[in-house]
Amino acid sequence: GENVEQHPSTLSVQEGDSAVIKCTYSDSASNYFPWYKQELGKRPQLIIDIRSNVGEKKDQRIAVTLNKTAKHFSLHITETQPEDSAVYFCAASGVQTGANNLFFGTGTRLTVIP
Amino acid sequence: ETGVTQTPRHLVMGMTNKKSLKCEQHLGHNAMYWYKQSAKKPLELMFVYNFKEQTENNSVPSRFSPECPNSSHLFLHLHTLQPEDSALYLCASSNSGGGYTFGSGTRLTVV
Repeated sequence: GENVEQHPSTLSVQEGDSAVIKCTYSDSASNYFPWYKQELGKRPQLIIDIRSNVGEKKDQRIAVTLNKTAKHFSLHITETQPEDSAVYFCAASGVQTGANNLFFGTGTRLTVIP
Repeated sequence: ETGVTQTPRHLVMGMTNKKSLKCEQHLGHNAMYWYKQSAKKPLELMFVYNFKEQTENNSVPSRFSPECPNSSHLFLHLHTLQPEDSALYLCASSNSGGGYTFGSGTRLTVV
């Protein structure tokens, strides 16, 4: 099955700086790569996703890049704010008809220092 | 509410008890999932249902038994659990090829 590795496990940045979280995956058939944010005591929430036919996607301060050849993808957060502090999970799946089985990384705890 | 509701939010059970977790989605999604979230581990996929048919059983011990009576409801029946089964159990739903919407989870403690 798919194996997703995520680094770093913890990340501290000053408010206003950028944060980058990197993930690698093992299954070259994977074609869908979402990122989730989980605040303390809350459910994971989808913040951005990318499909394998695209190399980069941006949504305001958040961007994701994908390198299919190297099988890695990254989350970039610019101009970080204290409310960005949370655990971020990357995931990968090979989209199948009807259901997509997501395999998650171990998470990155991001702390934005005011 | 995000459209995926899980009950109960917290559950404490003894190793000889039988209990059930419930998940309901109001989003019209066709697929539903159970995940286990433990400290310092990735979210572990347990079961997948697509149009109420089970399509994945990710080597989960038989003391966990899923049930999906229709596309909107998903249950996880628990019996003779072990302390290491204590975790946050998350339900999610999605449409074909789409991202997940997660429920708030059930925090399970096995004593």
